[in-house]
Amino acid sequence: GESVGLHLPTLSVQEGDNSIINCAYSNSASDYFIWYKQESGKGPQFIIDIRSNMDKRQGQRVTVLLNKTVKHLSLQIAATQPGDSAVYFCAETRGGGGADGLTFGKGTHLIIQP
Amino acid sequence: ETGVTQSPTHLIKTRGQQVTLRCSSQSGHNTVSWYQQALGQGPQFIFQYYREEENGRGNFPPRFSGLQFPNYSSELNVNALELDDSALYLCASSLVDSEQFFGPGTRLTVL
Repeated sequence: GESVGLHLPTLSVQEGDNSIINCAYSNSASDYFIWYKQESGKGPQFIIDIRSNMDKRQGQRVTVLLNKTVKHLSLQIAATQPGDSAVYFCAETRGGGGADGLTFGKGTHLIIQP
Repeated sequence: ETGVTQSPTHLIKTRGQQVTLRCSSQSGHNTVSWYQQALGQGPQFIFQYYREEENGRGNFPPRFSGLQFPNYSSELNVNALELDDSALYLCASSLVDSEQFFGPGTRLTVL
């Protein structure tokens, strides 16, 4: 799995702009990927997921891109709002999140500036 | 809100003591996973329970143990607490091999 550092990268964007958060995953056998949002004092909240047989999936204001060749995942948030401020984690697993559990990547702290 | 509840919210223990944390699953979910989240890091998988049996385990020592009850609620027990056990403990419920829904966590401080 991916090593986890003590310092979260930070991404600061202006309200209304689009943001892109990137993640590198480590296990070539992973076939299910999820983005979570975690606000201070709360548990991770599901945003969007994607399986390895897809390379793009869209939700409401969010898009996840998967590049299996370079083991890279990204989350695009359109027209960011103050409520988008949080720490964002990517997670990977095999078989949909079962017995192997989820392996979380390094989080990114997204700050929305007014 | 996910419907997953955890208790207590906060807990302070001293080194060497034992602790039990509790989790109530979202209605209809038969699988519970536990994660440890140290400050400034992502959650780390401890173990998962499915139909009252341990279904998978991460890289945690045996002093971390668990239970799942017939109503699918779950307990996480940690024996011989160490200072490094201070963390946010998260419970997630799901159907097997499906999206995991996280509770708000229990903040454990070991002094």
